[in-house]
Amino acid sequence: GENVEQHPSTLSVQEGDSAVIKCTYSDSASNYFPWYKQELGKRPQLIIDIRSNVGEKKDQRIAVTLNKTAKHFSLHITETQPEDSAVYFCAASSVNTNAGKSTFGDGTTLTVKP
Amino acid sequence: NAGVMQNPRHLVRRRGQEARLRCSPMKGHSHVYWYRQLPEEGLKFMVYLQKENIIDESGMPKERFSAEFPKEGPSILRIQQVVRGDSAAYFCASSPNLDTQYFGPGTRLTVL
Repeated sequence: GENVEQHPSTLSVQEGDSAVIKCTYSDSASNYFPWYKQELGKRPQLIIDIRSNVGEKKDQRIAVTLNKTAKHFSLHITETQPEDSAVYFCAASSVNTNAGKSTFGDGTTLTVKP
Repeated sequence: NAGVMQNPRHLVRRRGQEARLRCSPMKGHSHVYWYRQLPEEGLKFMVYLQKENIIDESGMPKERFSAEFPKEGPSILRIQQVVRGDSAAYFCASSPNLDTQYFGPGTRLTVL
């Protein structure tokens, strides 16, 4: 089955700096890669996703890049703000099969210091 | 369009009792997924259901756990004879297709 590894497990940055979180996956059939943000005691919320037919996607301060050959994808947050502090999860799934289940990374705890 | 609903939000059970967790997907979503999250850990897939069918239950323990998504009504995750190790947050997610999943607020189960 799919295996997703996420690094780093914790990340601390100063407000205004950039943050980068990286994930690798094992199943070459995976073709959908969402990123979720989870604040303490809250539900995971989708912040951005990318499909395997594109290499990069951007939404304001958030961007995701995908390298299919190397089987890794990354989340980039620019101009970080204290409210970006949360746990971020990457995930990988294959949506061409009748499965669609997502395999999640173990999460990165991001702390943005004012 | 209301989001994914889960109830109860908090559930306390004594060892040996049964726990029933409910999930109402977003309107128009026919795919439901259940995940378990232990404190300070990631989300672990348990089961994927479509209406009246279990599609993939590879992440669900074979004993004591069961799930259903009937034609009418919410999806239910049932845990029989709960043990302390079942204490966790249980999230369901729904999807209109096979990719984007939207999560409910979770049910936090505590087993005394």
